[in-house]
Amino acid sequence: AQSVTQLDSHVSVSEGTPVLLRCNYSSSYSPSLFWYVQHPNKGLQLLLKYTSAATLVKGINGFEAEFKKSETSFHLTKPSAHMSDAAEYFCVVSDLYNTDKLIFGTGTRLQVFP
Amino acid sequence: DAMVIQNPRYQVTQFGKPVTLSCSQTLNHNVMYWYQQKSSQAPKLLFHYYDKDFNNEADTPDNFQSRRPNTSFCFLDIRSPGLGDAAMYLCATSRDSRGQGKGVTEAFFGQGTRLTVV
Repeated sequence: AQSVTQLDSHVSVSEGTPVLLRCNYSSSYSPSLFWYVQHPNKGLQLLLKYTSAATLVKGINGFEAEFKKSETSFHLTKPSAHMSDAAEYFCVVSDLYNTDKLIFGTGTRLQVFP
Repeated sequence: DAMVIQNPRYQVTQFGKPVTLSCSQTLNHNVMYWYQQKSSQAPKLLFHYYDKDFNNEADTPDNFQSRRPNTSFCFLDIRSPGLGDAAMYLCATSRDSRGQGKGVTEAFFGQGTRLTVV
């Protein structure tokens, strides 16, 4: 069965410093992987997705993620944090062949300090 | 713009009084989902439709029902809301590409309905 593990429940950074949000996945087949962001009292917005094309995926707002099969990881990064990046981030996996459901990680709350 | 719209954004209902939340989409996606999200938790899938086929999660209480009268609309009915049902309810859609062997594409979420039970 597929699953995702977000290794940090909270991450705090200073504005202008790099962001790293970690995600490891488990999937029987080649997965589709996604990162979503959720601001308070809002729905989820897709940041980026990996669907077996390029392993380095660029998303919106300067975020990117690298699919590493050998490490079963899909970490989210951004070179320079902005105050507006403060939100909850979810790593999500969809098994390519077995399901039309999305499996969510437990989320990482990103705080950005001035 | 094509999108997923949930109404209302905020809903207050009385304990035990039936309530219906609505979701509409202009994306023409064949898969629609309802998620429940409690504070500081990940969204929890309640059920989803693949076209007209209803797929209930094993741990979704019978108190929660859903209807999908056509491709564009989907409703979440809570027959007798309890205090524990207070949460954000998220509707999402996706275009399943199963026919091409690629599984589901990304989901598009509405803004959610915040349900308060008093």
